[in-house]
Amino acid sequence: KAGVTQTPRYLIKTRGQQVTLSCSPISGHRSVSWYQQTPGQGLQFLFEYFSETQRNKGNFPGRFSGRQFSNSRSEMNVSTLELGDSALYLCASRSGGGDEQFFGPGTRLTVL
Amino acid sequence: DQQVKQNSPSLSVQEGRISILNCDYTNSMFDYFLWYKKYPAEGPTFLISISSIKDKNEDGRFTVFLNKSAKHLSLHIVPSQPGDSAVYFCAAYYNTDKLIFGTGTRLQVFP
Repeated sequence: KAGVTQTPRYLIKTRGQQVTLSCSPISGHRSVSWYQQTPGQGLQFLFEYFSETQRNKGNFPGRFSGRQFSNSRSEMNVSTLELGDSALYLCASRSGGGDEQFFGPGTRLTVL
Repeated sequence: DQQVKQNSPSLSVQEGRISILNCDYTNSMFDYFLWYKKYPAEGPTFLISISSIKDKNEDGRFTVFLNKSAKHLSLHIVPSQPGDSAVYFCAAYYNTDKLIFGTGTRLQVFP
């Protein structure tokens, strides 16, 4: 069974631009969550989507948004990028009611 | 407000010895706890979990202990191996809601 995949793996943007990251969950998994990892902050929860609906949301500004498609693939968008948005963005999938989340390799975003 | 805290950013242990990684939490509603291991340039991988109705769960060299009254959990790795060198995150759920992670502890196992 293929794992969680994320594209692109690396991205360099400049302040003020916007970016879209993509995540394909494990086949059959309907829940996709997004996390931001920065040094010293651990993994900060962004949001979770389940069956195309946002089920949970973390404490991030509205510049961070996401969506999920009918095939469970998810995208995360960050608008008006700031230097502080430089981070590793991880997505994770789970079957729905399951507790264990399976993570992708992440997208390393650098904002210059 | 950090609801899950890992106060030791790093830990160094000799191969063959026990590694003890600690985690404290503030939300008494958490009902499920997990440990993840993360290598550089990879996503976290699930290691072991424990439900709040238990106080211990063991899987091979890994044992997680939960002390609900102290709101504390720990991960014991015995014996430690060089391949265990990674960043370890504890995480907690309540009601299978969003997963809250700690800030991580970097474990280094030296020969």
